[in-house]
Amino acid sequence: GAGVSQSPSNKVTEKGKDVELRCDPISGHTALYWYRQSLGQGLEFLIYFQGNSAPDKSGLPSDRFSAERTGGSVSTLTIQRTQQEDSAVYLCASSGRQGPYEQYFGPGTRLTVT
Amino acid sequence: AQSVAQPEDQVNVAEGNPLTVKCTYSVSGNPYLFWYVQYPNRGLQFLLKYITGDNLVKGSYGFEAEFNKSQTSFHLKKPSALVSDSALYFCAVRGDYNQGGKLIFGQGTELSVKP
Repeated sequence: GAGVSQSPSNKVTEKGKDVELRCDPISGHTALYWYRQSLGQGLEFLIYFQGNSAPDKSGLPSDRFSAERTGGSVSTLTIQRTQQEDSAVYLCASSGRQGPYEQYFGPGTRLTVT
Repeated sequence: AQSVAQPEDQVNVAEGNPLTVKCTYSVSGNPYLFWYVQYPNRGLQFLLKYITGDNLVKGSYGFEAEFNKSQTSFHLKKPSALVSDSALYFCAVRGDYNQGGKLIFGQGTELSVKP
């Protein structure tokens, strides 16, 4: 079946612009996660959605970052007023159930802020 | 707080030899442990997990991992390495129950298998 998909695969933007990154989870998966992968920081958790519960935003690095999940499926991560330190690969993952179950990752969006 | 350490940035192995990629963890409750592999310019692929039960866990592509509670380790192993196993490997632990299942990753280990 189809895996997690993300778009765009690459995004180059100028400092100060806003960007939107999209994630389509595996159909039927109720849990959705965003992570960021950068050279200096490794893999960092950003935000987590589970069903209709309030999202866990504890990993968002600043108030310039926000995310939403519409209809319990597609998610959009928005970064406002991008900075060079936002350059990273943004990974989305989904999981079928709550609990200690594996997460399935998308291919990521490589964001470069110039 | 949960944490994971991968003490080796890089592991070099000759093709056909056994390989081990090390991981140690620190958790406040039951450990839920995972291994993922990342090929260049790709997302992470799930290899295997330990939740409970047998200490030796078998996963994809011939990989296995040994859970050792006394040493708080979860080392990844393969009896005979392939050149195609060359990739970046991440060990991860699930966050505390009240952290919604987010994964906490080690820094990653670059595995290089030479012919």
